[in-house]
Amino acid sequence: QSALTQPASVSGSPGQSITISCTGTSSDVGGYNYVSWYQQHPGKAPKLMIYEVSNRPSGVPDRFSGSKSGNTASLTISGLQAEDEADYYCSSYTSSSTVFGGGTKLTVL
Amino acid sequence: EVQLVQSGAEVKKPGESLKISCKGSGYSFTSYWIGWVRQMPGKGLEWMGIIYPGDSDTRYSPSFQGQVTISADKSISTAYLQWSSLKASDTAMYYCARLLHGYGMDVWGQGTTVTVSS
Repeated sequence: QSALTQPASVSGSPGQSITISCTGTSSDVGGYNYVSWYQQHPGKAPKLMIYEVSNRPSGVPDRFSGSKSGNTASLTISGLQAEDEADYYCSSYTSSSTVFGGGTKLTVL
Repeated sequence: EVQLVQSGAEVKKPGESLKISCKGSGYSFTSYWIGWVRQMPGKGLEWMGIIYPGDSDTRYSPSFQGQVTISADKSISTAYLQWSSLKASDTAMYYCARLLHGYGMDVWGQGTTVTVSS
């Protein structure tokens, strides 16, 4: 199982929108609608932000949205805020297992 | 409140054994899969494996199969991750988390730091 491919870093200014991509294969991202996104602040446990491609858990702001096209999933954060600065990881179900992306560091300028 | 509480930090020597725990509360522990995730220092998340406490059905990532053992004791709502012979490369933060239907992890433990050093 190879890790899903994410950009190492993205950045944006407060109020702007950014999108983080997550590219896999037809065996994971493209094969199932089971993509999740996690936010992790330094020294903290990850937090689920999106599950099943585009669903937000209770309490996650609607500034966070997810989508998928083919073998690539995306996380979009609109109205960027300072507290959004963190590492973001995607994951996908694959054959009774899960594979994570390498992570993307989001910097809010 | 739904929560997972993990055991405390461990410092071990190479070759020693270790078992860390993850105790669930606030929900039906036997109705959700529990997963374990490794995060090595300064690195990303790695999916290790999962267990269904209701019947102890267990699945491992190919990368961790044979390297660790995942178990659970449903009578005390606790899942475990254990090593029979630790290596320095096992030094990492280990998280447990509750799985949703699509393998999303919605509730996370606080993490257990494992340091293996001679």
